[in-house]
Amino acid sequence: QSALTQPASVSGSPGQSITISCTGTSSDIGDYNYVSWFQQHPGKAPKLMIFDVSNRPSGVSHRFSGSKSGNTASLTISGLQTDDEADYYCSSYTSSSTLVFGGGTKLTVL
Amino acid sequence: QLQLQQSGPGLVKPSETLSLTCTVSGGSIRSSTYYWGWIRQPPGKGLEWIGSIFYSGSTYYNPSLKSRVTMSVDTSKNQFSLKLTSVSAADTAVYYCARQFWTWYFDYWGQGTLVTVSS
Repeated sequence: QSALTQPASVSGSPGQSITISCTGTSSDIGDYNYVSWFQQHPGKAPKLMIFDVSNRPSGVSHRFSGSKSGNTASLTISGLQTDDEADYYCSSYTSSSTLVFGGGTKLTVL
Repeated sequence: QLQLQQSGPGLVKPSETLSLTCTVSGGSIRSSTYYWGWIRQPPGKGLEWIGSIFYSGSTYYNPSLKSRVTMSVDTSKNQFSLKLTSVSAADTAVYYCARQFWTWYFDYWGQGTLVTVSS
């Protein structure tokens, strides 16, 4: 199974909004609403930010939102804060009953 | 509050078997809603799903690792385990255990264990 495709890096200034894309195929993102997003700070375990495409777990800021169109899912972070600087990973269930992650995106808050 | 505590050696010799255990506290592993998964992350690289197990023993494995992976569950100890055979330097990574909802997202994670494969 191939990893989902994410941009290697994105950047933004405090207060701005950014969007991270996650592109898969019709056998994963395109066919299932089982997309999730994780935030990972250096040396820490990943933290769930979005599940089932667009749902936020309790305690996650409303500044984080998720969406999907066709084979591409997106994570949008509005009102960027310095603490948002981290690596972000998407994941999706696949038609082979497996899970695939994206390669990860490094977010820099300038 | 659910907690996942990982245990196991941090150093494994090439060709030997990597073994890790994840102990769940604050909740039961015997849930019909959750699977229990393993994910790894090589140093400086991205996340890779290894596999997932239901409390009944039903498993799903990453096809690229399937021939070397065995997962098991011990409901009496509220634990689940990972074995990876014939390891090489390419298996050096931080290994995480996590709780997986049935829609395939991981909401609680262990602390991570750096496993280095070296003689």
